[in-house]
Amino acid sequence: AQKVTQAQTEISVVEKEDVTLDCVYETRDTTYYLFWYKQPPSGELVFLIRRNSFDEQNEISGRYSWNFQKSTSSFNFTITASQVVDSAVYFCALRGGSNYKLTFGKGTLLTVNP
Amino acid sequence: DAGITQSPRYKITETGRQVTLMCHQTWSHSYMFWYRQDLGHGLRLIYYSAAADITDKGEVPDGYVVSRSKTENFPLTLESATRSQTSVYFCASSLIAGISSYEQYFGPGTRLTVT
Repeated sequence: AQKVTQAQTEISVVEKEDVTLDCVYETRDTTYYLFWYKQPPSGELVFLIRRNSFDEQNEISGRYSWNFQKSTSSFNFTITASQVVDSAVYFCALRGGSNYKLTFGKGTLLTVNP
Repeated sequence: DAGITQSPRYKITETGRQVTLMCHQTWSHSYMFWYRQDLGHGLRLIYYSAAADITDKGEVPDGYVVSRSKTENFPLTLESATRSQTSVYFCASSLIAGISSYEQYFGPGTRLTVT
């Protein structure tokens, strides 16, 4: 069975602070894929990143960075110098190599205050 | 327009009525999915389809019917709507080839209220 845990239900920061969103996953598959999605107040789900289990390189994209650690089954997401527009619910998701279904975490509501 | 669209965006219906939510994608993606999003439950998979005429149940399929006669369309039907089906419904599609797992792209969602 697959499971994704986002222990932080809500986070509130002040603009320009750095913030890390945690994601811990469980899977029995040796090949799997991890994703982060953003859901702003407007409601759409926006794909941010995909990471394959065989690629443990961390990734940076502008103010966003992702830290994938297989040893701790974690795929954390950091926003540097947060902005009000980063306010959204962020979902971590997992797809095991043996099926095509995405398992989502419950999401973390990030509020960035001016 | 290119992408994935859903209609209607908002729907209010009465208990017991049949209602169909439409999903259309222009990418020729093989896979399509239906999710519902509820407070406290996050996103849960209802049904998915690997190709035209191939569908399979997800986590919460009861009370829903799907079909996929064409690659680009994946309608979701609530045969006899119940209040517990009040939710936001998202359609998604992805291109999955070989051992790679491509990301799912989501439609804008349909907010359904069953009274």
